[in-house]
Amino acid sequence: DAKTTQPTSMDCAEGRAANLPCNHSTISGNEYVYWYRQIHSQGPQYIIHGLKNNETNEMASLIITEDRKSSTLILPHATLRDTAVYYCIVRVAGKDNYGQNFVFGPGTRLSVLP
Amino acid sequence: DAGVIQSPRHEVTEMGQEVTLRCKPISGHDYLFWYRQTMMRGLELLIYFNNNVPIDDSGMPEDRFSAKMPNASFSTLKIQPSEPRDSAVYFCASSLETDQLQPQHFGDGTRLSIL
Repeated sequence: DAKTTQPTSMDCAEGRAANLPCNHSTISGNEYVYWYRQIHSQGPQYIIHGLKNNETNEMASLIITEDRKSSTLILPHATLRDTAVYYCIVRVAGKDNYGQNFVFGPGTRLSVLP
Repeated sequence: DAGVIQSPRHEVTEMGQEVTLRCKPISGHDYLFWYRQTMMRGLELLIYFNNNVPIDDSGMPEDRFSAKMPNASFSTLKIQPSEPRDSAVYFCASSLETDQLQPQHFGDGTRLSIL
């Protein structure tokens, strides 16, 4: 069973904020929310992760709801180079917790339009 | 700093041939992952290593697939014999795991076509 659900695709105008939602209603207390993206013909690229507090880095902001059942990745000023597939993943903290605990779903295909 | 380096970038071979994919992780990283990506199944974790030791190979599809990590700076994924359904993009990733979660860093993949 998928731990996360994301819209299949989204469009965003260049220069506007892109808000990508993710539902993870069965998330447990020790699971982090990760976001990766994959630009065409490249390997996935790490964006950001968080547990319960909102996080911001040079690439994006991550907003996690208080009940942690959903989150939103925000790209504040989307550019054409942000066109990619964005993956939301939940993962248990700690070493050796990969395998089936770290699963890439189909993601959201974001198209930034000029 | 160099990222994860995979070779070759593209491989085209005939069914039944042995295929070897190579990966050099980021220096100092102690975890190495092999993934496969297809249109039908998306990105799947095949196997991962910690300190050169395989930890979980439950994602390896068949005995035709094998992976090794003889040292901290090199890993191979081998398919013998290869079949057309093995055609996919194979990614290698590495991470430095601590008690704090660390992201995986991916290479640009090997696009494998089995004819």
